[in-house]
Amino acid sequence: GAVVSQHPSRVICKSGTSVKIECRSLDFQATTMFWYRQFPKQSLMLMATSNEGSKATYEQGVEKDKFLINHASLTLSTLTVTSAHPEDSSFYICSASPGHLYGYTFGSGTRLTVV
Amino acid sequence: EDQVTQSPEALRLQEGESSSLNCSYTVSGLRGLFWYRQDPGKGPEFLFTLYSAGEEKEKERLKATLTKKESFLHITAPKPEDSATYLCAVQPGGATNKLIFGTGTLLAVQP
Repeated sequence: GAVVSQHPSRVICKSGTSVKIECRSLDFQATTMFWYRQFPKQSLMLMATSNEGSKATYEQGVEKDKFLINHASLTLSTLTVTSAHPEDSSFYICSASPGHLYGYTFGSGTRLTVV
Repeated sequence: EDQVTQSPEALRLQEGESSSLNCSYTVSGLRGLFWYRQDPGKGPEFLFTLYSAGEEKEKERLKATLTKKESFLHITAPKPEDSATYLCAVQPGGATNKLIFGTGTLLAVQP
């Protein structure tokens, strides 16, 4: 139990286009989901907190108009990278918590490459 | 400022050679300390949550301990399949649910 599914696992897009990443909680409901970004050999950095039915909360320095988050249901959050540029290339990971006994469960991540 | 520091950055062990990984933290009110395992190109896999100083948790060859300033992940008689990056994260006090991660320890266990 407590599985978070993330798709796609890899995506290559052209500079200037938009990419959507999906994060689903498969066997539990998540009113809150989290989006992280990880650069090679660096720590996971929280980008934003996705709240079901309301606006996402973005961390300082994260452009909300560039990284659009939608949390339309209790099991699905999406991150759209708009007008992607090569510097947006990174590993994006979502997470949610099914309860305190399980900590925070992470998706398998999405490797975005912008060419 | 809330901060998590992990050491060493990398550790190479022989199979069966026990060791410990360190996670030092400064945080305004600790709600929880988390250990994760991350394989290359994958998301972190949950291992343990510790909530208060003196707490210990075990899972197979892994044992996590917590003090007021740091946590240790002890690996007993490791096997090659234990090779991965081990991440430590803290959840500060307050209303936020955010986790603050360290940069991890890359563990390589050689047969």
